[in-house]
Amino acid sequence: QLQLQESGPGLVKPSETLSLTCIVSGGSVSSSDYYWGWIRQPPGKGLEWIGSIYYSGITYYNPSLKSRVTLSVDTSKNQFSLKLSSVTAADTAVYYCVRQSTQGDYWGQGTLVIVSS
Amino acid sequence: SSELTQDPAVSVALGQTVRITCQGDSLRSYYASWHQQKPGQAPINVIYGKNNRPSGIPDRFSGSTSGNTASLTITGAQAEDEADYYCNSRDSSGKYVIFGGGTKLTVL
Repeated sequence: QLQLQESGPGLVKPSETLSLTCIVSGGSVSSSDYYWGWIRQPPGKGLEWIGSIYYSGITYYNPSLKSRVTLSVDTSKNQFSLKLSSVTAADTAVYYCVRQSTQGDYWGQGTLVIVSS
Repeated sequence: SSELTQDPAVSVALGQTVRITCQGDSLRSYYASWHQQKPGQAPINVIYGKNNRPSGIPDRFSGSTSGNTASLTITGAQAEDEADYYCNSRDSSGKYVIFGGGTKLTVL
């Protein structure tokens, strides 16, 4: 049974870097069948794709966030990570990690990150 | 185009059929996926590809596309189907993932 678990600080100060990790169990980030992505949802609002990464390290980023986003994958730990720099209150959201494929998407439970001093 | 447009809200009587739509130019080239999100929960994928349901999704959920419009149809809506529904696909370049703004489904 695939499980995706987001981990990281729930509170980040403005101008600092938000860092989250998605720990994958019941599946492998090394699989060539999937992309591994991050999607966020501000409180009361819709879903926004942040970016996706392939096991080889190929990345795709939302153009609106590209200058601040870095995705990485660690095949030895079976996890992938998100870094979002220079955060503001507008980055307050529930952050989801997602396994993406032509056979459907699988979502983690999400983690709320609040940007506040 | 990099936009997908959904109606903000739709309602359906219990047991009736409802169609939720998603419009965008990129849908002429790429299939939409549909995701259901209940309050306080993570989304779950209910339709992907031409018309495929992940394991565990009831067969009352189906998907279709015509031109630039993708549709999610729930045949015989149940009370537990009340949720927000989001479509997503690729933008016209195929590189980026885009989401519709979501449709709040109320089952009366």
